[in-house]
Amino acid sequence: DQQVKQNSPSLSVQEGRISILNCDYTNSMFDYFLWYKKYPAEGPTFLISISSIKDKNEDGRFTVFLNKSAKHLSLHIVPSQPGDSAVYFCAASLAGTASKLTFGTGTRLQVTL
Amino acid sequence: EPEVTQTPSHQVTQMGQEVILRCVPISNHLYFYWYRQILGQKVEFLVSFYNNEISEKSEIFDDQFSVERPDGSNFTLKIRSTKLEDSAMYFCASSEARTGGLTEAFFGQGTRLTVV
Repeated sequence: DQQVKQNSPSLSVQEGRISILNCDYTNSMFDYFLWYKKYPAEGPTFLISISSIKDKNEDGRFTVFLNKSAKHLSLHIVPSQPGDSAVYFCAASLAGTASKLTFGTGTRLQVTL
Repeated sequence: EPEVTQTPSHQVTQMGQEVILRCVPISNHLYFYWYRQILGQKVEFLVSFYNNEISEKSEIFDDQFSVERPDGSNFTLKIRSTKLEDSAMYFCASSEARTGGLTEAFFGQGTRLTVV
């Protein structure tokens, strides 16, 4: 069941540059999308989210873009910092607060000096 | 900052034994979840819990699994008879009810379950 896909397992970016992480989904009923960051041996940490009624949400260095027609979202990190090195998961949910999250497989971001 | 806490951080158990994984969700949250991540795989939803009952469960959450909120602060996941394939990282999460119905889930640091 690959309803949420992250096709790039890894990404390497130089410090100060932009990191762009991509995510595709197949279920058109998803209406809330989230990005989580995960360090080894820790739980996922919420980063940023976007509702399906928007196409962009920005929070500091993090911006999420949503293209509903393409069923695609992306996370931009500008500027990238070494502390951003982690695995990034996109997740999606159906309407309602009690709804489960469907996660992608994750992209490992390495920010190099 | 409030956080979800899980105990123990690592549990080793023999196949066939019962295990209970414990979680203390964020205090004003009303929705509780268990997820798991088998090594090298994606984070998978197991169950959601609201108002003292299961609101949704996945096909993974079969009869050997159960959840309970025994005392208003703890939220537990019980696996009755563990199998080797239950070895995974188990994450508890919670979220609050919010106007508009859209809210993020906050995750604990996980319990690594190893079945031998």
